[in-house]
Amino acid sequence: QKEVEQNSGPLSVPEGAIASLNCTYSDRGSQSFFWYRQYSGKSPELIMFIYSNGDKEDGRFTAQLNKASQYVSLLIRDSQPSDSATYLCAGTSGTYKYIFGTGTRLKVLA
Amino acid sequence: DGGITQSPKYLFRKEGQNVTLSCEQNLNHDAMYWYRQDPGQGLRLIYYSQIVNDFQKGDIAEGYSVSREKKESFPLTVTSAQKNPTAFYLCASSWVTQPQHFGDGTRLSIL
Repeated sequence: QKEVEQNSGPLSVPEGAIASLNCTYSDRGSQSFFWYRQYSGKSPELIMFIYSNGDKEDGRFTAQLNKASQYVSLLIRDSQPSDSATYLCAGTSGTYKYIFGTGTRLKVLA
Repeated sequence: DGGITQSPKYLFRKEGQNVTLSCEQNLNHDAMYWYRQDPGQGLRLIYYSQIVNDFQKGDIAEGYSVSREKKESFPLTVTSAQKNPTAFYLCASSWVTQPQHFGDGTRLSIL
């Protein structure tokens, strides 16, 4: 069974700090990875996607991919209370399937 | 505006009843997906479709059925064979290996 694993949390960080969210995956064939933010009762919203090893930055968000270690991470700089949500990590499996982790709940404390 | 529209937002099913959840997209995406999310859980794949008139079972297809007669539409029927249908249902679409876009979801409950 191909899996994407995340720590369920909650991960608590003070306002203004860096939040670091991590994800590991089992399918070595996975090529593309995605981070979604999901507020309680709402649908997932795409935050970042990354296809190549290394870092990708977009505003306060940085996605990191290490295919050798099968590891994906999301850094959120200057965390705000509005960033409090569940963050879902997903990876492709084959051509059309996507495998989602169970999510990490982030709490940013004002 | 391009996007994915799911309806209804809330749905109630009676014992022995089949119900159909609607999903329409105008993003011109080839692939469409149905996921189920239970409280505090991740997304589990029910069915997906790569092209019109073709679809594949996901990890939890039992008790569900789908059709893909048009590129824009991918309705999901929750049949009476699905004994525990209470969940949040999410429809998504994408191009191959590209980010998935999600609708706002349908919350299904049993009466």
